[in-house]
Amino acid sequence: QKEVEQDPGPLSVPEGAIVSLNCTYSNSAFQYFMWYRQYSRKGPELLMYTYSSGNKEDGRFTAQVDKSSKYISLFIRDSQPSDSATYLCAMTGGQGAQKLVFGQGTRLTINP
Amino acid sequence: DTGVSQDPRHKITKRGQNVTFRCDPISEHNRLYWYRQTLGQGPEFLTYFQNEAQLEKSRLLSDRFSAERPKGSFSTLEIQRTEQGDSAMYLCASSHRTAGNTIYFGEGSWLTVV
Repeated sequence: QKEVEQDPGPLSVPEGAIVSLNCTYSNSAFQYFMWYRQYSRKGPELLMYTYSSGNKEDGRFTAQVDKSSKYISLFIRDSQPSDSATYLCAMTGGQGAQKLVFGQGTRLTINP
Repeated sequence: DTGVSQDPRHKITKRGQNVTFRCDPISEHNRLYWYRQTLGQGPEFLTYFQNEAQLEKSRLLSDRFSAERPKGSFSTLEIQRTEQGDSAMYLCASSHRTAGNTIYFGEGSWLTVV
């Protein structure tokens, strides 16, 4: 079993829809949680960064962490075609931990 | 451009040849990471430097792989005697010592072994 599980999709939604992306994990030592966006043949781009449980909002993006359930989510409101990409969740242990553990990535397409 | 820079972006090599990738981290970032990503998968950790010291290596980093970061600036990742299974995107990333969990990736170096 992988430490981080992420539904690879693909996920296709109409423009303007609310998108929900999720990851589950098994390692209770994870404390820092990130979401990266990756366009085709490009490097991952850091979107959101959260510590421990709770919500964080940045524009149209909201990240949620539920450590009790070992479950994290990324919500995208008013989705745009330019949001079409692969979304990767990543997590790591204590402050300054060196290794990010990634999910498989969810491929998202927003249809105009 | 002040992001993480990787070179070359694409490399096609014959099986058995050696290849070397270079990474220039964001200025003043003392931490540097190498990851590998295959098609349809998330990146996997390979190794990590703090300044010039290589502090952690993954079991994925076989004896044919070597990474260096002389003088704590740029880094190189060399793969000797390449195999078809080495075909992947090799990603470099960096972070600042005061924000170690905020890790920024470069555009990656694609390797195809034929």
